[in-house]
Amino acid sequence: DIVMTQTPLSLSVTPGQPASISCKSSQSLLYSDGKTYLSWYLQKPGQSPQLLIYEVSNRFSGVPNRFSGSGSGTDFTLKISRVEAEDVGVYYCMQSIQLSFGQGTKLEI
Amino acid sequence: QVQLVESGGGVVQPGGSLRLSCAASGFTFSSYGMHWVRQAPGKGLEWVTFIRSDGSNTYYADSVKGRFTISRDNSKNTLYLQMNSLRAEDTALYYCAKGRTVLYWGQGTLVTVSS
Repeated sequence: DIVMTQTPLSLSVTPGQPASISCKSSQSLLYSDGKTYLSWYLQKPGQSPQLLIYEVSNRFSGVPNRFSGSGSGTDFTLKISRVEAEDVGVYYCMQSIQLSFGQGTKLEI
Repeated sequence: QVQLVESGGGVVQPGGSLRLSCAASGFTFSSYGMHWVRQAPGKGLEWVTFIRSDGSNTYYADSVKGRFTISRDNSKNTLYLQMNSLRAEDTALYYCAKGRTVLYWGQGTLVTVSS
């Protein structure tokens, strides 16, 4: 089984400052089709999760460009260039090779 | 727009059964694989099961293998989750989700396993 490990598990950020979340997988997420199936989700308080980033670095429709994803193989990072109050919630990475989530990172202002 | 509406949750005794449904609209349901993902109260997301677009293959988390069955009816644009031999640890909000890389989520249906 592929295990996803996120760090940190919680993050307190001042509005306007950057934030970064790491996600490491126990196996490479590079699939035979050449794509890397790592995505990022934000679950705002009281809401369902929403897709932010897919295939490592592609922003989903409507996602602000202050969110960016990077990485390869087993090491991935989500960055928020300037945190806003609406970014509060829990961030999850997910791998779609064998299907599992990271533990989640709670972002607070 | 994409809509995923789960139903069928409720309170059930340990050892009991429940069948969840997810009505999909706003996209070509038969073209997408679908997941069930659950979230226990105050906990993180746990992937439960996935079914390919044509229903040809299904995958399960070890925690539910042999007890839960995912299925779909592409003529009715509906996803199902049959849950048998339910345990207290199955208590959670159950989401259906579209696409192997999950693009959209429903609002969830709450399952409580308690005597």
